[in-house]
Amino acid sequence: GEDVEQSLFLSVREGDSSVINCTYTDSSSTYLYWYKQEPGAGLQLLTYIFSNMDMKQDQRLTVLLNKKDKHLSLRIADTQTGDSAIYFCAETASGTYKYIFGTGTRLKVLA
Amino acid sequence: KAGVTQTPRYLIKTRGQQVTLSCSPISGHRSVSWYQQTPGQGLQFLFEYFSETQRNKGNFPGRFSGRQFSNSRSEMNVSTLELGDSALYLCASSSTGASGNTIYFGEGSWLTVV
Repeated sequence: GEDVEQSLFLSVREGDSSVINCTYTDSSSTYLYWYKQEPGAGLQLLTYIFSNMDMKQDQRLTVLLNKKDKHLSLRIADTQTGDSAIYFCAETASGTYKYIFGTGTRLKVLA
Repeated sequence: KAGVTQTPRYLIKTRGQQVTLSCSPISGHRSVSWYQQTPGQGLQFLFEYFSETQRNKGNFPGRFSGRQFSNSRSEMNVSTLELGDSALYLCASSSTGASGNTIYFGEGSWLTVV
């Protein structure tokens, strides 16, 4: 089945690292994504990882994938107030032409 | 390069009416997909079009329909509006729509049904 779950809220202090977690159920997922949504805006792609990778680093962002446990995480180093937003993980499977999104995690960065 | 453009950005409709939302994809992109975002259900896939053909459809009633034109622009229509149709409708485009092909979202159309 298709289901992607995330915790709803995360609060961190400015300068700390944030870790946002996601679990998915579709083992045929080929790509997994992280999107950011700021208030009143659409979704902005942050990064993605192919299912045969374990880790991907992109500046302050690190994505870890545990395919056995179907667990995906996004680590934001040196979190800033501008990182406050809702973060969505999403999966897509070959040939489906659709993304399945998680429930979204609202990240609040405290100054 | 212009991004994905959605119109209108905000609209208010009455129950029973119908609404048409428009999406212009990024130039050169031939795949357009639509998503509904609500606080209770999150982001739900509506449908995806490529070269004027619907390739996949989400679990929405027949009141929700869409189409794509030869220039890749897309419209979605919701007939007989219900209060529960109030949502942010997001359009996304990509070059082919295949997995691994990044999709880019527009800013959405906020629909309020009263």
